[in-house]
Amino acid sequence: NAGVMQNPRHLVRRRGQEARLRCSPMKGHSHVYWYRQLPEEGLKFMVYLQKENIIDESGMPKERFSAEFPKEGPSILRIQQVVRGDSAAYFCASSPSSDRAYEQYFGPGTRLTVT
Amino acid sequence: AQSVTQLGSHVSVSEGALVLLRCNYSSSVPPYLFWYVQYPNQGLQLLLKYTSAATLVKGINDFEAEFKKSETSFHLTKPSAHMSDAAEYFCAVSDNDYKLSFGAGTTVTVRA
Repeated sequence: NAGVMQNPRHLVRRRGQEARLRCSPMKGHSHVYWYRQLPEEGLKFMVYLQKENIIDESGMPKERFSAEFPKEGPSILRIQQVVRGDSAAYFCASSPSSDRAYEQYFGPGTRLTVT
Repeated sequence: AQSVTQLGSHVSVSEGALVLLRCNYSSSVPPYLFWYVQYPNQGLQLLLKYTSAATLVKGINDFEAEFKKSETSFHLTKPSAHMSDAAEYFCAVSDNDYKLSFGAGTTVTVRA
């Protein structure tokens, strides 16, 4: 009964490189959420996805960030041309249905360090 | 719009003493409220949640929280702290949609 899985757990990128973060939701969950946790802060909502659909990306920075949740495979959060300010922990969560969207189960996170 | 305020970024308690973590929220509608715990380098684990049933909510590891609408509070307590309770605790609110809004967190240290 695996929970939400994220990989890699730690990622180091130089400025200007691309970062790809992966998230596999809990079995039976088709709703995925991405959050970002900056140092000394709480988590901030970034994006909500269902299979092949972006439902709400209001928390995503306007440039360089994108997310997808394809029909097959994990959800991907992609950050192009990373900058030092992108260094943070990125958490993925999943929920079983839209009417229980508040019931989110979190993965262990990916800690991105930009050098 | 929802928001969460956690009073006190650091709390230190003696082993066996009461743990009290404060959380106040603002929400335009009756909210869903949550407490999560985060151990170092790990993800968030749900401790308990309030979803408009009983106002006193019991969670895992003897934690409980009480929803007080008149005070817009959802404080977390545990009668007797253990060393293993040392972690960061986050209060979160949702107004029945998917956006959880988190407080800035409270770090708990437990003294032997």
